[in-house]
Amino acid sequence: ETGVTQTPRHLVMGMTNKKSLKCEQHLGHNAMYWYKQSAKKPLELMFVYNFKEQTENNSVPSRFSPECPNSSHLFLHLHTLQPEDSALYLCASSQELGTGGIYGYTFGSGTRLTVV
Amino acid sequence: TQLLEQSPQFLSIQEGENLTVYCNSSSVFSSLQWYRQEPGEGPVLLVTVVTGGEVKKLKRLTFQFGDARKDSSLHITAAQPGDTGLYLCAGGGDYKLSFGAGTTVTVRA
Repeated sequence: ETGVTQTPRHLVMGMTNKKSLKCEQHLGHNAMYWYKQSAKKPLELMFVYNFKEQTENNSVPSRFSPECPNSSHLFLHLHTLQPEDSALYLCASSQELGTGGIYGYTFGSGTRLTVV
Repeated sequence: TQLLEQSPQFLSIQEGENLTVYCNSSSVFSSLQWYRQEPGEGPVLLVTVVTGGEVKKLKRLTFQFGDARKDSSLHITAAQPGDTGLYLCAGGGDYKLSFGAGTTVTVRA
């Protein structure tokens, strides 16, 4: 399977639940990203990983916990979320950390998260 | 954070009409990209422009990067229903991209 794959596609969770989002890429890219997409707002960068090391945490609340076991896999662990966290969560990858502006990002289809 | 403003926010046109969407910033970018996002999917890269004044054409789509590398436009000629989607611009500066909020384009058959 090629490209960036995200699972699950849809997730409904209560505020006391714990769940995880998974992202997998088979492109040989070394940089991976988590973005939050809310209606009418620019994509919000959450976390950046380069060669499985976190290089940026964009002031994300601790109820979001990323994990990158290797350059091909990225997880976002969720716990005690709030209704305002409902959004589309997108995973993306790029060849290298600084090449996104030239070669672009490859995005997954996203996980539509609803917190009830 | 480098801000990118896109206009209009929404655009609905009839098949066969032309349209232009804009992306503006007060910041200079080393590159500017356009992505299209269809419902239920992630954004897909359409083009990258890197030189001020650069114009690129992709079939019926024409992309222009402003001379000062602060703005860009996307023009679609003879729009088709398949052009429907959310068009996002993204500016490249340091090691990450800054995205605009997007223009939602609907082409009616």
